[in-house]
Amino acid sequence: DIQVTQSPSSLSASVGDRVTITCRASQSISSYLNWYQQKPGKAPKLLIYAASSLQSGVPSRFSGSGSGTDFTLTISSLQPEDFATYYCQHSYSTPYTFGQGTKLEIE
Amino acid sequence: QVQLQESGPGLVKPSETLSLTCTVSGVSVRSYYWSWIRQPPGKGLEWIGYIFYSGSTYYNPSLKSRVTISVDTSKNQFSLRLSSVTAADTAVYYCVGVGAAGNAFDIWGHGTLVTVSS
Repeated sequence: DIQVTQSPSSLSASVGDRVTITCRASQSISSYLNWYQQKPGKAPKLLIYAASSLQSGVPSRFSGSGSGTDFTLTISSLQPEDFATYYCQHSYSTPYTFGQGTKLEIE
Repeated sequence: QVQLQESGPGLVKPSETLSLTCTVSGVSVRSYYWSWIRQPPGKGLEWIGYIFYSGSTYYNPSLKSRVTISVDTSKNQFSLRLSSVTAADTAVYYCVGVGAAGNAFDIWGHGTLVTVSS
């Protein structure tokens, strides 16, 4: 199975900050990497698919990059509604797996 | 607008079978492919498996011996059965669609909590 490992597991930041979360795959997955945002008590929401494609309706302050084994999710200027948990997930081959999550908290 | 709604018992006894149904509205089940994903309380996400409208299925090997996913095109629904459950199967179960965003999970139900307890 291909594993994806996120870092950091938690992060404190302030409104207006630029934040980067990383995801590393245990083997090359080309660009088959997706990012989700989850708020407490809610279902995850797709933000970025295929490493760098912005899902419809998602604000442009979210961006993704990377290919192969190393990927990043960047939030260019944090807004109050961005404090949540973020997950990466590979869709290269089954079984699909998720990272352990990065909890983004208000500093 | 595509919407997914999970339904089924919220409490299942150990060793019994968990059964959930996802009703799809706004699109035909023939249009996308469909998954189940679960999340134990306070923990991360686990992909259970997926199904094409043709009935072809792919399961997570960690659950494969206990999982069955099926689709009913006449009712526009798909279903999950997980046998021989234990407390470790207690989780929020999400039905999810893979549609217009590559291979990503772009359509999510609200999720339903299933507790395994006697």
